[in-house]
Amino acid sequence: GNSVTQMEGPVTLSEEAFLTINCTYTATGYPSLFWYVQYPGEGLQLLLKATKADDKGSNKGFEATYRKETTSFHLEKGSVQVSDSAVYFCALLNTDKLIFGTGTRLQVFP
Amino acid sequence: EAQVTQNPRYLITVTGKKLTVTCSQNMNHEYMSWYRQDPGLGLRQIYYSMNVEVTDKGDVPEGYKVSRKEKRNFPLILESPSPNQTSLYFCASRETVTSNQPQHFGDGTRLSIL
Repeated sequence: GNSVTQMEGPVTLSEEAFLTINCTYTATGYPSLFWYVQYPGEGLQLLLKATKADDKGSNKGFEATYRKETTSFHLEKGSVQVSDSAVYFCALLNTDKLIFGTGTRLQVFP
Repeated sequence: EAQVTQNPRYLITVTGKKLTVTCSQNMNHEYMSWYRQDPGLGLRQIYYSMNVEVTDKGDVPEGYKVSRKEKRNFPLILESPSPNQTSLYFCASRETVTSNQPQHFGDGTRLSIL
């Protein structure tokens, strides 16, 4: 079946630190992969996506590369800000179903 | 502006009192769905709709109903709410069921069932 596994949070960092949030997936076929971000009190917003192997999605300084060989889509940012504090969801779309990981809370302190 | 609008944003009610959460999108999307978000469980799909008059169960449909009489609206109905339905609910839409374009989410409805 299809599934997404994310690292458990919270991830606590100081401002300007390097961020990695791990995401691995299990899927049949060739899914599209997404990172969504949920700021406090808001719905989910698309952060970035990749639709095929070796694609790199990027937005707002965040990046993730679709790695078919390791079935991974890790989220990275070189220098986090306090305003990046949110919950991050990795997701895959396979045929018709969008499947989410359990989410990783990021807390960035000044 | 492309939007998915849910109402109400917050609701506290009592066990057994029927309630409806409305969802409307202005993007002419065919596909709409409802999720609930619970700590440690991520988002779980309740029901989805591939088009008008076409609805199907997601992963956790028990205790919920939906309807899709018009393309833009997809209400979630709790006929007899129970405390285990206390959760944060999200409506979402995307262009078609197989589109890999991003799914748009509403801002969420926090339900508390006492």
